[in-house]
Amino acid sequence: DAKTTQPPSMDCAEGRAANLPCNHSTISGNEYVYWYRQIHSQGPQYIIHGLKNNETNEMASLIITEDRKSSTLILPHATLRDTAVYYCISPPRGYQKVTFGIGTKLQVIP
Amino acid sequence: NAGVTQTPKFQVLKTGQSMTLQCAQDMNHEYMSWYRQDPGMGLRLIHYSVGAGITDQGEVPNGYNVSRSTTEDFPLRLLSAAPSQTSVYFCASSYWDTNTEAFFGQGTRLTVV
Repeated sequence: DAKTTQPPSMDCAEGRAANLPCNHSTISGNEYVYWYRQIHSQGPQYIIHGLKNNETNEMASLIITEDRKSSTLILPHATLRDTAVYYCISPPRGYQKVTFGIGTKLQVIP
Repeated sequence: NAGVTQTPKFQVLKTGQSMTLQCAQDMNHEYMSWYRQDPGMGLRLIHYSVGAGITDQGEVPNGYNVSRSTTEDFPLRLLSAAPSQTSVYFCASSYWDTNTEAFFGQGTRLTVV
């Protein structure tokens, strides 16, 4: 799986957009980019994923650069409930041997 | 659909005791895995399985055994617990595909004293 790099922590004001970057310069052509988040010590929760095109769902938007070497997760209107650790991964088929790094700890500030 | 169910949620063991952490999924997923998470660290892969009867080691397999006799269940065994195995354990499952999300259980918090 492609190695991903994320900043260890970020702050965001409540109500503002949170933009979380991820670098995945070694990603191969058929590997998707996935985002998960972990609130407190709960199990990680899937947010969104994409291959080439930008994606949007009810939780977030995912912007992937044209060369696919980096992406940004956007939480359009961050709330206090969005305070969590966010993981960016690029797993091979079936998540085989996937490990999660330390992710980005997002703190939403009132 | 219950998703991924882990039991127990909490457990305290004495050094040297054995126990099995249970993981079950009802989504007919081929792939299942076990992770441990220590304070301030990410999730490290212990063991994984790509189908019934097939298991393999992850990043930190020492001290743990697994088996996959059915598609639904993937138990994790600690044969002789050590304080270094104090951690939060997560089970995950997914389809055997690149375009699929993984589902995680809510975790088992294990303390070895």
